[in-house]
Amino acid sequence: GAVVSQHPSWVICKSGTSVKIECRSLDFQATTMFWYRQFPKQSLMLMATSNEGSKATYEQGVEKDKFLINHASLTLSTLTVTSAHPEDSSFYICSARDSGGIAEAFFGQGTRLTVV
Amino acid sequence: QKEVEQDPGPLSVPEGAIVSLNCTYSNSAFQYFMWYRQYSRKGPELLMYTYSSGNKEDGRFTAQVDKSSKYISLFIRDSQPSDSATYLCAMSAVAGKSTFGDGTTLTVKP
Repeated sequence: GAVVSQHPSWVICKSGTSVKIECRSLDFQATTMFWYRQFPKQSLMLMATSNEGSKATYEQGVEKDKFLINHASLTLSTLTVTSAHPEDSSFYICSARDSGGIAEAFFGQGTRLTVV
Repeated sequence: QKEVEQDPGPLSVPEGAIVSLNCTYSNSAFQYFMWYRQYSRKGPELLMYTYSSGNKEDGRFTAQVDKSSKYISLFIRDSQPSDSATYLCAMSAVAGKSTFGDGTTLTVKP
């Protein structure tokens, strides 16, 4: 099946710094990528949808200036958490869909962000 | 009311048991139905994908979709300890943009 690689798998940063998370589709071209956030024992909350070469579409309540998403190529999307605070600590997961029209999206391994 | 409601669990069964996991939904526009397995601290892994109503079988796993009742199920036969994980149902009207259930944590005891 399709492979989506997310990096890093975990990161600890100081409050006020920025963190970049990468999501790569390894064996297909991802025209659309999705970024989710997941709190412990809860389901995935969609943060934003990004299409290659265009601005991301953010879900209601998600600060676009805080969570910067770039989808510069068909195989790479990045999420940058700017001026991170402890409340941003969470599990961030990306998923990708190819242009072939399949419905299911394939997920990265997730990134555990801890802001101290 | 949430668009997708999933039986919360947790669920604990002995090895070899048949497991039934269920979700209901309210959005009649949903036409893609997925089940994911998620191990602790990992991203979800797609198990089953069904378009519209019907059954789909893959090894020990069977997914059922009943659009008339807005009800989907995942059955696991001959459950194994390695099946212990959180199972998420997901569904979408638009390909790839899914709404997820809250997950059911399954433990299969040897």
